[in-house]
Amino acid sequence: AQTVTQSQPEMSVQEAETVTLSCTYDTSESNYYLFWYKQPPSRQMILVIRQEAYKQQNATENRFSVNFQKAAKSFSLKISDSQLGDTAMYFCAFKRGRNAGNMLTFGGGTRLMVKP
Amino acid sequence: GAVVSQHPSWVICKSGTSVKIECRSLDFQATTMFWYRQFPKQSLMLMATSNEGSKATYEQGVEKDKFLINHASLTLSTLTVTSAHPEDSSFYICSARQGEFVNTEAFFGQGTRLTVV
Repeated sequence: AQTVTQSQPEMSVQEAETVTLSCTYDTSESNYYLFWYKQPPSRQMILVIRQEAYKQQNATENRFSVNFQKAAKSFSLKISDSQLGDTAMYFCAFKRGRNAGNMLTFGGGTRLMVKP
Repeated sequence: GAVVSQHPSWVICKSGTSVKIECRSLDFQATTMFWYRQFPKQSLMLMATSNEGSKATYEQGVEKDKFLINHASLTLSTLTVTSAHPEDSSFYICSARQGEFVNTEAFFGQGTRLTVV
């Protein structure tokens, strides 16, 4: 079974600053996908970024980027130029293989507060 | 991105009654849908995986007779909480995937807050 661990229950950052959220996972799979989801106060889950394990290049989406260290099984999320709208719960998630029927395993979440 | 609509967004019911929650994929066919439960300030816990036209696969510890899941079409899955009790009060979220081996992204509904009184 896969496990996903987010060691930071809460974090805060000043607006316009950069913050990094940590995520580690444990798996024996070689083919898998990693995701970061954002859950704002509305509770709607929003995909922030995803990474295919077979790709060495770290994924980037505008102000969001990841540091994927496959050997260390680490998948951190960096948010640059933090904005007030980034305040939310962030969940790291793991999915094995490419089968659409494979479920997502979520970490415990990190509550991020962006301060003005 | 694709849209998943969940209804209702919020429901209050009396203890002992049943509540049905719908999850619809609006602009794509969802071969697989997932139902999650989220307690306050906690992560999403998978309850069951629902495949169109077949019985749902429940996670360990989830009572299949209490949480009835029906996935009758490629665009609709329903979760019925039967004989609800206050401890069933929670936030329920569905997600759906488009096709097989094609798209690895899961699209989420907006969630349903269930309060049993």
